[in-house]
Amino acid sequence: EVQLVESGGGLVQPGGSLRLSCAASGLTFSSYWMHWVRQAPGKGLVWVSHIKSDGSSTNYADSVKGRFTISRDNAKNTLYLQMNSLRVEDTAVYYCARDSYRGFDPWGQGTLVTVSS
Amino acid sequence: EIVMTQSPATLSVSPGERATLSCRASQSVSSNLAWYQQKPGQTPRLLIYGASTRATGIPARFSGSGSGTEFTLTISSLQSEDFAVYYCQQYNNWPYTFGQGTKLEIK
Repeated sequence: EVQLVESGGGLVQPGGSLRLSCAASGLTFSSYWMHWVRQAPGKGLVWVSHIKSDGSSTNYADSVKGRFTISRDNAKNTLYLQMNSLRVEDTAVYYCARDSYRGFDPWGQGTLVTVSS
Repeated sequence: EIVMTQSPATLSVSPGERATLSCRASQSVSSNLAWYQQKPGQTPRLLIYGASTRATGIPARFSGSGSGTEFTLTISSLQSEDFAVYYCQQYNNWPYTFGQGTKLEIK
């Protein structure tokens, strides 16, 4: 069974930093593009970033470009999201998801990031 | 950026009845359209990909149709576990974008 488990969320002040991790199991991690998607409280899903299977290419939503960095360690089967210069509007549950090339499947359980003073 | 617009925002349907949810893209996404279900406090689940193909383990009462800019998710006979929020997503162009969701509630 494919499993994705996020960690690293928490409470941070505006301007602060956090690093999210997504540990993958039950799949050949290095074969898949991976994504981060976020969901603000009571709101819809918003795509944040993606990284190619070998890490050679990345892409970001305009709202996080220049502040967030996606990376991966295929030897550790782990996806990362380094979030700097955090803003109140970055408050959300952050999900990692596998790109199955037919939609995002599966998704992790999510990790909550709260940006507040 | 391709804007995905779902309608209605909320749909009230009785158990056993049919539900029809719509998704419109601001430009063609071919058939690169997925539907997800999200229940309260749970993670999204892939239902449909390629506009009309059910994902593994998804019951036959869920069906998708459409191509280009107009898409439909139909649930033929609503079960209690189907009341949730449904999102469409295009994966034809970067950035991949989601609709704002349709909440399917019990009438």
